[in-house]
Amino acid sequence: DQQVKQNSPSLSVQEGRISILNCDYTNSMFDYFLWYKKYPAEGPTFLISISSIKDKNEDGRFTVFLNKSAKHLSLHIVPSQPGDSAVYFCAASANSRGGKLIFGQGTELSVKP
Amino acid sequence: GAGVSQSPRYKVAKRGQDVALRCDPISGHVSLFWYQQALGQGPEFLTYFQNEAQLDKSGLPSDRFFAERPEGSVSTLKIQRTQQEDSAVYLCASSSALATNEKLFFGSGTQLSVL
Repeated sequence: DQQVKQNSPSLSVQEGRISILNCDYTNSMFDYFLWYKKYPAEGPTFLISISSIKDKNEDGRFTVFLNKSAKHLSLHIVPSQPGDSAVYFCAASANSRGGKLIFGQGTELSVKP
Repeated sequence: GAGVSQSPRYKVAKRGQDVALRCDPISGHVSLFWYQQALGQGPEFLTYFQNEAQLDKSGLPSDRFFAERPEGSVSTLKIQRTQQEDSAVYLCASSSALATNEKLFFGSGTQLSVL
């Protein structure tokens, strides 16, 4: 039972263009969502998060949008840079004591110069 | 160092062998998590500690998996009688907060290969 799904295993975009990574979830108890970025041979690093009381959070080139009714969130990267090439994981939390994050399968982003 | 440190970086084990994976969290971090990441998949939760207390071990796949954090800092994940399906990257993460929605800092992981 995959509670967090990233249906696109890979995405390729041109440098300077927008990258849009998508994530769907099934558990309505999730109320906090995060995006992590992972380079090869390294652990995931935190990128941006959003609480369910918001529908948008922006940090520099990165914006996360949350559509609670559709149980969908997306990460926008504008403009995309070659250094953004990595695997991006969407994760969700139900804000209960226990602390676990539920991760999606990841989307590998490749930004071409 | 300032980050989460895991050792060994790589571990090759023969089927049936016991292994121990170590995690040094960021100094002062209260919360510590272990995740398992299979090839091509996202990290999957194994267990969670708050200081020395193991508050959630619901993700441990079987009783062959055991984790401890006796003094509330360093943690060890032990796998007994390893099987081929245990082959994965084991990630440790720590957080300064007790709340669940604080960002986690991950180590680089231990890549376990069971032959």
